[in-house]
Amino acid sequence: QQKVQQSPESLIVPEGGMASLNCTSSDRNVDYFWWYRQHSGKSPKMLMSIFSNGEKEEGRFTVHLNKASLHTSLHIRDSQPSDSALYLCAASKGSALGRLHFGAGTQLIVIP
Amino acid sequence: NSKVIQTPRYLVKGQGQKAKMRCIPEKGHPVVFWYQQNKNNEFKFLINFQNQEVLQQIDMTEKRFSAECPSNSPCSLEIQSSEAGDSALYLCASGTANTEVFFGKGTRLTVV
Repeated sequence: QQKVQQSPESLIVPEGGMASLNCTSSDRNVDYFWWYRQHSGKSPKMLMSIFSNGEKEEGRFTVHLNKASLHTSLHIRDSQPSDSALYLCAASKGSALGRLHFGAGTQLIVIP
Repeated sequence: NSKVIQTPRYLVKGQGQKAKMRCIPEKGHPVVFWYQQNKNNEFKFLINFQNQEVLQQIDMTEKRFSAECPSNSPCSLEIQSSEAGDSALYLCASGTANTEVFFGKGTRLTVV
């Protein structure tokens, strides 16, 4: 079964709105979380990573991590149509070189 | 931008045929991963290498796939006898201890 659960499966937000995506790992051995974005027909590209409890912001993107519950969330403010993509959460043990356990993704659609 | 090069982009094989795909990792990246992404966007880890040595692989990879990362040559992943269920996007990724993992554009395999 999936060790990394993402919700919702799909999300529609209006242009300029806030998109909130969730991810939880059931494997307590992981300690690094990664958010990737994959546009249709393209390869996944890393958006943000987080290893410590708390919040990290980069531009319109904010990621939160609660290590006790192994829950991370990604928030996109002022969503743009170009943000429409599959958002993948991945968890690993140790550094970037640990095997990544991916969730099934959240399909985000931003409507102009 | 990722410099992980995968070839071919598309591959069509009949059931029972061999299917081989290649990956040139980004220069200076000692660790290479292969993942399979199915039509439901689910990722399955297949195998990873550090330099030329296998670090981890799943049971399926051990039995039906062969993979290698020789020095001074592209890495390769070969399915010995393709099955319909092998139809997927095969993604190669590379990284170092101090960077994220970068993905190539993938090889889309269709087994007819």
